[in-house]
Amino acid sequence: DAKTTQPPSMDCAEGRAANLPCNHSTISGNEYVYWYRQIHSQGPQYIIHGLKNNETNEMASLIITEDRKSSTLILPHATLRDTAVYYCIAATGANSKLTFGKGITLSVRP
Amino acid sequence: ETGVTQSPTHLIKTRGQQVTLRCSSQSGHNTVSWYQQALGQGPQFIFQYYREEENGRGNFPPRFSGLQFPNYSSELNVNALELDDSALYLCASSAQGTDTQYFGPGTRLTVL
Repeated sequence: DAKTTQPPSMDCAEGRAANLPCNHSTISGNEYVYWYRQIHSQGPQYIIHGLKNNETNEMASLIITEDRKSSTLILPHATLRDTAVYYCIAATGANSKLTFGKGITLSVRP
Repeated sequence: ETGVTQSPTHLIKTRGQQVTLRCSSQSGHNTVSWYQQALGQGPQFIFQYYREEENGRGNFPPRFSGLQFPNYSSELNVNALELDDSALYLCASSAQGTDTQYFGPGTRLTVL
């Protein structure tokens, strides 16, 4: 599975958009980009995934660059409850192992 | 809520003992994956079960073993517990032909 790299932390103000970057320069053509988040000591929560096209759901938007070497997760209106560790993962599908790095810690400030 | 449940929530064992952790998958999901998460680290893949057979394994010793039952629920067994086995153990379920794994809340194991 391709390795992903994320900055260790970032913060944003409540109500503003949070843009979380991820690099995956060695991603292969059949690997999706997945985003999960983990609020302290809970199980990881699925957010969104995509292959080539940008995706949007009720939680977030995922923007994947045309060359697929990087992506950005956008939380459009961050709230305090969005404070968590966010993991960007490259994987071939639901039944492949998910290789988690250390993720990015997002702190939303009032 | 993902519909994936795990038991027990917390567990304390001593070195050398054996432990069994349980996971019930989301309805309709036939694949279960287990992960270990040490403090301050991301989850690490232990193994996956599909149709009661092991379907991939991470870098964990044989004293980590598992089972999957006909109803797709699963157990993780760890023998000869070591202090470093203290971690949050997570299971995730998925369905063949779909794209997403859904995680349970985890079992916190402490080995003294």
